[in-house]
Amino acid sequence: DGGITQSPKYLFRKEGQNVTLSCEQNLNHDAMYWYRQDPGQGLRLIYYSQIVNDFQKGDIAEGYSVSREKKESFPLTVTSAQKNPTAFYLCASSIAGPTSGYTFGSGTRLTVV
Amino acid sequence: SQQGEEDPQALSIQEGENATMNCSYKTSINNLQWYRQNSGRGLVHLILIRSNEREKHSGRLRVTLDTSKKSSSLLITASRAADTASYFCATAPNNNDMRFGAGTRLTVKP
Repeated sequence: DGGITQSPKYLFRKEGQNVTLSCEQNLNHDAMYWYRQDPGQGLRLIYYSQIVNDFQKGDIAEGYSVSREKKESFPLTVTSAQKNPTAFYLCASSIAGPTSGYTFGSGTRLTVV
Repeated sequence: SQQGEEDPQALSIQEGENATMNCSYKTSINNLQWYRQNSGRGLVHLILIRSNEREKHSGRLRVTLDTSKKSSSLLITASRAADTASYFCATAPNNNDMRFGAGTRLTVKP
């Protein structure tokens, strides 16, 4: 079955560490997105990529980095520069950007310990 | 920046009743989408309505769009306990990416 997989489901980070969240899709979608969700709030866009080897900053890119070396993969690194990283992170993909529906992964919950 | 705002923030109804959620947005759009999120899970795409459409149906869901008022509504008829979730509207202000509102948290009591 086609879908989008995020791993791990739960992740704990010590202060000062970088951590990488994985996002893989086998839907042959060109566009991929990372959103952050805080409790009781909507989604805020971190980064997006419309094509391999290209990505754009969203509204809250500071303290995060991404790469898009393969069509199927769009990993997100939460760096030590992100001062408040505890949140729920959602990855999504789309065949045609906002003109079509997004498919979401099941999310990664990151907690700073 | 958030593009859509849902209203109400929370809604509690009895099973069998209808649930109506509203969404207002700020800029012109070519489509508006509604998503559902169960607690602690990813979002699931429910329905997409294009700017030249006024109403769209999918099963027990009915979506309306009024571009002159920059607003949309999602109606869930004959609600079930399994409909308990958060519902988000989403629009694309720049055709590159989608922006989501804060959502309506729906509770359907059995």
